[in-house]
Amino acid sequence: GQNIDQPTEMTATEGAIVQINCTYQTSGFNGLFWYQQHAGEAPTFLSYNVLDGLEEKGRFSSFLSRSKGYSYLLLKELQMKDSASYLCAVKDSNYQLIWGAGTKLIIKP
Amino acid sequence: GAVVSQHPSRVICKSGTSVKIECRSLDFQATTMFWYRQFPKQSLMLMATSNEGSKATYEQGVEKDKFLINHASLTLSTLTVTSAHPEDSSFYICSASPSGTSGANEQFFGPGTRLTVL
Repeated sequence: GQNIDQPTEMTATEGAIVQINCTYQTSGFNGLFWYQQHAGEAPTFLSYNVLDGLEEKGRFSSFLSRSKGYSYLLLKELQMKDSASYLCAVKDSNYQLIWGAGTKLIIKP
Repeated sequence: GAVVSQHPSRVICKSGTSVKIECRSLDFQATTMFWYRQFPKQSLMLMATSNEGSKATYEQGVEKDKFLINHASLTLSTLTVTSAHPEDSSFYICSASPSGTSGANEQFFGPGTRLTVL
């Protein structure tokens, strides 16, 4: 079966750095996405990785290793507004998005 | 950027009634739209893939006669929850990818519709 694993919940301090990991086992691979979802709202796109390596976008970076079936989302200079759920999703060989359960990130002052 | 709207944003209905949710791509055409359901503290669950001009593809366990999907144009898909019951109360979210792009492009999400069935 297809599976995406990410931690259920993480806690970090304002101003610090946090890394959210995602491992996946899917039938084929056509890209990995990270989305941010605030409570009661729809997800918003953060990043997309299809090749190995690090993609940096401001305070957020995303890394991919296809051989390891592994990705992480790195958030720097954490702000209180970064408190949200972070969803990892992989497009399989049929270009269907397989979603992880999400990681709830709690930022403390 | 690409914008997807949903209407209504919130609806409360009585058990046994039907509710229609609209999903529109405002500044792009979408051959394919997706309907998700999300229960509290759970991840997104894909319900169906809506294809313009053809029948929707439903995920296993989703009743096609209960969740009617119509994708009549390249910018509009509708989801009708028929004979709604309290267990259908959930957050329904649609998404769309621009037509003519590769399957690798991200999906753009609507703001979601909170359905409460009394």
